[in-house]
Amino acid sequence: GDSVTQMEGPVTLSEEAFLTINCTYTATGYPSLFWYVQYPGEGLQLLLKATKADDKGSNKGFEATYRKETTSFHLEKGSVQVSDSAVYFCALYTGGGNKLTFGTGTQLKVEL
Amino acid sequence: EAGVAQSPRYKIIEKRQSVAFWCNPISGHATLYWYQQILGQGPKLLIQFQNNGVVDDSQLPKDRFSAERLKGVDSTLKIQPAKLEDSAVYLCASSLGTPSDTQYFGPGTRLTVL
Repeated sequence: GDSVTQMEGPVTLSEEAFLTINCTYTATGYPSLFWYVQYPGEGLQLLLKATKADDKGSNKGFEATYRKETTSFHLEKGSVQVSDSAVYFCALYTGGGNKLTFGTGTQLKVEL
Repeated sequence: EAGVAQSPRYKIIEKRQSVAFWCNPISGHATLYWYQQILGQGPKLLIQFQNNGVVDDSQLPKDRFSAERLKGVDSTLKIQPAKLEDSAVYLCASSLGTPSDTQYFGPGTRLTVL
């Protein structure tokens, strides 16, 4: 079945550091890939997505590239801020499953 | 626009009691989802409605969980009787159409079963 594997957290960084959160997937067919973010006390919200191989999703300085050859969708940001502290979820969608399958989430803590 | 509303935000019950959660999706969104998020895990889909019809309830423990979406708008999720392992955050989300559309999540209801 479909599955998503994320790096374990928490990830603790200093402000302005470079961020990478790894995400790999297993899916039948060609999934769409997503990153959702959950800020403290709030619901999940879509951060970015990519629907086909080599697509790059981007939003709020975050980027992720759909790599079919490595079945990966790693999240990156060049310079994190304290306000980026949140839990980040990688997810995939396939037409066959017709639902979002989420990873376990990675908590990011950014310190001054 | 108003977001997805859920109530209550927190609930503590004893095992074998019953509990109900309410969700009001974004106006005009045809599809509504209930997810269960156990601590340290990602959200797991329990049930998906398209308007007032069930699209997928394959992961809903039907012996104790039930859900309905009256008139294709609000939805309620009920657990009866609750077990200790039902302690989790219950998330409601909605989208315009398919699950690949952007899903908008409510703040969730944190359930503790003692």
